[in-house]
Amino acid sequence: QPVVTQSPSASASLGASVKLTCTLTSGHSNNAIAWHQQQPEKGPRYLMTVHPDGSHNKGDGIPDRFSGSSSGADRYLTISSLQSEDEADYYCQTWGAGMGVFGGGTSLTVL
Amino acid sequence: QLQESGPRRVKPSETLSLTCTVSGGSISDDYWSWIRKPPGKGLEWIGYIFYSGSTRYSPSFESRASISVDPSKNQVFLRLTSVTAADTGVYYCARVPTSRLFDKWGQGTLVIVSS
Repeated sequence: QPVVTQSPSASASLGASVKLTCTLTSGHSNNAIAWHQQQPEKGPRYLMTVHPDGSHNKGDGIPDRFSGSSSGADRYLTISSLQSEDEADYYCQTWGAGMGVFGGGTSLTVL
Repeated sequence: QLQESGPRRVKPSETLSLTCTVSGGSISDDYWSWIRKPPGKGLEWIGYIFYSGSTRYSPSFESRASISVDPSKNQVFLRLTSVTAADTGVYYCARVPTSRLFDKWGQGTLVIVSS
């Protein structure tokens, strides 16, 4: 049983906002998670940590357009004022049973 | 900064050996992980190491993977034995701070398993 689940795909228009969801499974609903962005042909980039209380800490140089929040077992990544370079795969990551765990990733298309 | 390096091609049944060179900080401060991304699939966690040598592996890799460090060279190593075509992919190293949430990544190195 996966520790974290993500929808495989999402899409939104240029300039709009999109909210991606990472759902923690039972037993892990109080975990903090990290969001990572992987643009085509590039290595992953750490975006932020989202805590169960809804607070978030962003990585160095991450634009204000990126924000995080929480509700119950769900951890969110909101991207506002979408730009073409935001088209990428987004992975959530946490720790379970002493091991690193990734969600399956959400492929974001900017229309 | 993290920089992965190693051979681009490895033959089936042989051993894959990769190096992650860490610059701008000491590897003695954190844990370090290896992660891979097979073509068309998501990220897979392989395992981690602390500079003291303590390790933990994903059950999927436990029998074949070995992670080690050389603190004097600020390097982290991955060995994966008995590789098959399914081991083809881009391999990344990442820093694992005390939160256990990866916060720095290398650019990755592509490994193709083919005869």
